Amino acid sequence: GESVGLHLPTLSVQEGDNSIINCAYSNSASDYFIWYKQESGKGPQFIIDIRSNMDKRQGQRVTVLLNKTVKHLSLQIAATQPGDSAVYFCADPDPNAGNNRKLIWGLGTSLAVNP
Amino acid sequence: DGGITQSPKYLFRKEGQNVTLSCEQNLNHDAMYWYRQDPGQGLRLIYYSQIVNDFQKGDIAEGYSVSREKKESFPLTVTSAQKNPTAFYLCASSSGDDTDTQYFGPGTRLTVL
Repeated sequence: GESVGLHLPTLSVQEGDNSIINCAYSNSASDYFIWYKQESGKGPQFIIDIRSNMDKRQGQRVTVLLNKTVKHLSLQIAATQPGDSAVYFCADPDPNAGNNRKLIWGLGTSLAVNP
Repeated sequence: DGGITQSPKYLFRKEGQNVTLSCEQNLNHDAMYWYRQDPGQGLRLIYYSQIVNDFQKGDIAEGYSVSREKKESFPLTVTSAQKNPTAFYLCASSSGDDTDTQYFGPGTRLTVL
């Protein structure tokens, strides 16, 4: 959705706890989703992706869950560390873009890890 | 060492001057993108290009221009018509396969004085 003028939601967790970052999408035709991590002053980095034919995908300390019924996905970070402090974005290819391939970006969530 | 490079990292310009931001990739990606990011906010698409010699306006193209003469390069010009040019500019590229995953450069922080 449109993010102009809106402040990022913030999630604050204690070091060692698990973090859950949520994202909602609007188009039921969306079939591929990506999570990015952006550290302060840097470009976003790819974390993990998931296709719509999957409900869950695991990486190193991260798990993405996809609920197509309610058009919701979440990123779970296990044993959160100070280095996980960043802004996390979900994105999916615009299914209405045709051959002009581009991503629809979520607002982003700022994760703060307290030592 | 493959990747996307943007230069310079910090750029200062006087109001009313045009400025060009560089973006180069050696990933052999067909598609390239320019985003603008303001403090505490998300990414907004300025321009994108699916193939050499072709590009499309994104959501906030006014006051910006691009060219795509080479596959590796997608420079962005911030013109004097852009009313609030101070921002963090991010370039990305993707292979154009069915995943559309974009890979980002380090960004250029432009400050107009």
